[in-house]
Amino acid sequence: NAGVTQTPKFRILKIGQSMTLQCAQDMNHNYMYWYRQDPGMGLKLIYYSVGAGITDKGEVPNGYNVSRSTTEDFPLRLELAAPSQTSVYFCASSHPDRQETQYFGPGTRLLVL
Amino acid sequence: DAKTTQPTSMDCAEGRAANLPCNHSTISGNEYVYWYRQIHSQGPQYIIHGLKNNETNEMASLIITEDRKSSTLILPHATLRDTAVYYCIVRVHETSGSRLTFGEGTQLTVNP
Repeated sequence: NAGVTQTPKFRILKIGQSMTLQCAQDMNHNYMYWYRQDPGMGLKLIYYSVGAGITDKGEVPNGYNVSRSTTEDFPLRLELAAPSQTSVYFCASSHPDRQETQYFGPGTRLLVL
Repeated sequence: DAKTTQPTSMDCAEGRAANLPCNHSTISGNEYVYWYRQIHSQGPQYIIHGLKNNETNEMASLIITEDRKSSTLILPHATLRDTAVYYCIVRVHETSGSRLTFGEGTQLTVNP
């Protein structure tokens, strides 16, 4: 199993550009999450999903959108990139019976200039 | 979720036990204690969790006090690869998507 994979590893965006951060898992986990981590800080939840077609906002959803059309994939969309979105983005997944045991991807580093 | 308090940083000699404390004095009866760690530039990694009893797995041991107001994560024989930020998280078991709240954690540095 590859676990949770994320692409790209690193990206530089200009202000106002848009992009999609990809996340995929091959563990057949229903639950998936997007977190962001600013330098020296803990992780903050952006969005999460409990299954295909179901998503919900986390702590810091503004400026982001998500979709969940399949169990495996959970992309995160930035529509109008802003410098405040410079961060490291982590995707995670978990099994419904062990929701607090989350498996994280390697992260995507995003720099908005 | 109950608030947790952890020291900002700790040092440990390689080969020695690393004991990482966490205070969660406002924990409620149905809240579990979870530990994750984050090695530099990587995603967080689940270590262990417990409710009341002490727990052990291949990575670590978790000791929870009888009143459940504090806990200690023990890495029995720390190696250089255990250098990481360790997060203590207190959480109920949700039925509709569990949102972990990561604080600032403890930076553990294992020295040769």
